[in-house]
Amino acid sequence: QQQVKQSPQSLIVQKGGIPIINCAYENTAFDYFPWYQQFPGKGPALLIAIRPDVSEKKEGRFTISFNKSAKQFSLHIMDSQPGDSATYFCAASTPGNTPLVFGKGTRLSVIA
Amino acid sequence: KAGVTQTPRYLIKTRGQQVTLSCSPISGHRSVSWYQQTPGQGLQFLFEYFSETQRNKGNFPGRFSGRQFSNSRSEMNVSTLELGDSALYLCASSLLSRSTGELFFGEGSRLTVL
Repeated sequence: QQQVKQSPQSLIVQKGGIPIINCAYENTAFDYFPWYQQFPGKGPALLIAIRPDVSEKKEGRFTISFNKSAKQFSLHIMDSQPGDSATYFCAASTPGNTPLVFGKGTRLSVIA
Repeated sequence: KAGVTQTPRYLIKTRGQQVTLSCSPISGHRSVSWYQQTPGQGLQFLFEYFSETQRNKGNFPGRFSGRQFSNSRSEMNVSTLELGDSALYLCASSLLSRSTGELFFGEGSRLTVL
């Protein structure tokens, strides 16, 4: 059972565009929502994370928008660059010692 | 500060064989998690160890097993390999509880089963 549904599966944008990746969940006990970035040949690395007590969090060009009532959260990349081309995973976890569950990933290509 | 180290990086096995993968976490990290990554399924949780005890286990058959040593290094073993076990196996370490902290991933061990 997939607990976090991520879309789209792949995304191509022009340099300077704003790619948006969406994730939806059902488990209202989730209280931690990170995004991981993975480059080819590398392991995923934490990009940015949010908790449900805020609706938005920005770190540089990366923004998470969180809609608790809709049980959705999304990643926006402002002024995207070819170096942002990677696979992005959303994830979620509940309080306590439970595993982080990941979405299936979005392969982003930013073309010049 | 050294990152998470996984060995071997690449390996090829045939059906029915077994394989052992190794993970050395970041110094001081006591939690080690293992994930299977495949193109169609993303990252699937295998198990997590904390202070030599398995704390969580994912929905994988008993052919998949693991352990953690007193120095926090971890190994996972897959017995009676099947073609569908071909995947990138990722190890991640964290300082304390994964749900509140950052997971630091290694570069993975890519297993091909022929």
